[in-house]
Amino acid sequence: EVQLVQSGAEVKKPGESLKISCKGFGYSFTGYWLGWVRQMPGKGLEWMGVIYPYDSDTRYSPSFQGQVTISADKSISTAYVQWSALKASDTAMYYCARLRDGYYDYWGPGTLVTVSS
Amino acid sequence: EIVLTQSPATLSLSPGERATLSCRASQSVTSQLAWYQQKPGQAPRLLIYDASNRATGIPARFSGSGSGTDFTLTISNLEPEDFAVYYCQHRTNWPPLTFGGGTKVEIK
Repeated sequence: EVQLVQSGAEVKKPGESLKISCKGFGYSFTGYWLGWVRQMPGKGLEWMGVIYPYDSDTRYSPSFQGQVTISADKSISTAYVQWSALKASDTAMYYCARLRDGYYDYWGPGTLVTVSS
Repeated sequence: EIVLTQSPATLSLSPGERATLSCRASQSVTSQLAWYQQKPGQAPRLLIYDASNRATGIPARFSGSGSGTDFTLTISNLEPEDFAVYYCQHRTNWPPLTFGGGTKVEIK
């Protein structure tokens, strides 16, 4: 069974750094692109970027380029999103999702990130 | 970048009724469009891909149609568990993998 397990909720202060994770189970982690999607409180879905864990080829949405870093460690079937300096506007739910032919077919449960002073 | 516009923003219906949701693309995406359902407090779930193919385990009351720039998600006989937010997403020349703004189907 395909599963994506995400790290737990985080509460951070503005300016702090953060790295959240997404671990894949039940499929060949290196054989599929994996995407990250942001959902701000009460809002819709925004694609942040995608990574191909086999060779770490990464593509970013222009809205997120330079704001986050997406990476993967294929040896432990885990992908990451990291921030070097969080802002209050980064408060959101972050989902990872496996991509099959450009569609998100399996989703993680989400990681809630709260940034508040 | 292709923009997806969903309408209406909110659809108020009763159980048993038919729901018709629209997604319009700013330029042709051929049939490369998906629909997702998101219930409160849950991650989205893939319903339809390539405009009209139901994903694994999706009930037959969900159907998708359209091509080019105009797409429709139809829920033929609303069940209580179908009240949720629905998003469309295209994959043309991905990335990007843009979503529409969503349609909320609420109980009337």
